Amino acid sequence: GAGVSQSPRYKVTKRGQDVALRCDPISGHVSLYWYRQALGQGPEFLTYFNYEAQQDKSGLPNDRFSAERPEGSISTLTIQRTEQRDSAMYRCASSLRRRETQYFGPGTRLLVL
Amino acid sequence: GDSVTQMEGPVTLSEEAFLTINCTYTATGYPSLFWYVQYPGEGLQLLLKATKADDKGSNKGFEATYRKETTSFHLEKGSVQVSDSAVYFCALNFGNEKLTFGTGTRLTIIP
Repeated sequence: GAGVSQSPRYKVTKRGQDVALRCDPISGHVSLYWYRQALGQGPEFLTYFNYEAQQDKSGLPNDRFSAERPEGSISTLTIQRTEQRDSAMYRCASSLRRRETQYFGPGTRLLVL
Repeated sequence: GDSVTQMEGPVTLSEEAFLTINCTYTATGYPSLFWYVQYPGEGLQLLLKATKADDKGSNKGFEATYRKETTSFHLEKGSVQVSDSAVYFCALNFGNEKLTFGTGTRLTIIP
């Protein structure tokens, strides 16, 4: 079956612009996670949803970052007024239920000029 | 806070060599432990996991044993292949939703 998909795969934007990154989880997966990975580092947790409810957003770095999952399926991570330090790989993962194995998508590489 | 420390890379080995990638963790309690792998051009994939002390995770010829006494989860393989070239990440969680990753170890296998 289809895995986790993310779009776009690459995004180049200018500083100050808003960007929206999309994640389409594996069908039927209840839990969805966002991570950010800087070059040469491991992924760092940003936020997590169970169904449509955002359960934990402790990893979001500041209020320019937000995420939603309005119908409990597709999720969007939005970064407002992007800065160069936001450049990274943004990874999405889903799991069938809470506390089960997380399956990752291919990631969106964001470059802020 | 919780953290994972991985062996610094990159690691370069010849085909059929023995592989060890070290991973140690710091955590209050007994987390679940994971190895994820990222092949070139692909996303992160779960390679193996262990959920309690002395458990051994294994997959594709790779093994790792959860050692509580040394807080370690070293990844091993007896005979590596060129197709094992990838970046390997050690990770932990406490049965909550947040995975904590190490920095990754790039492995290159030379024919």
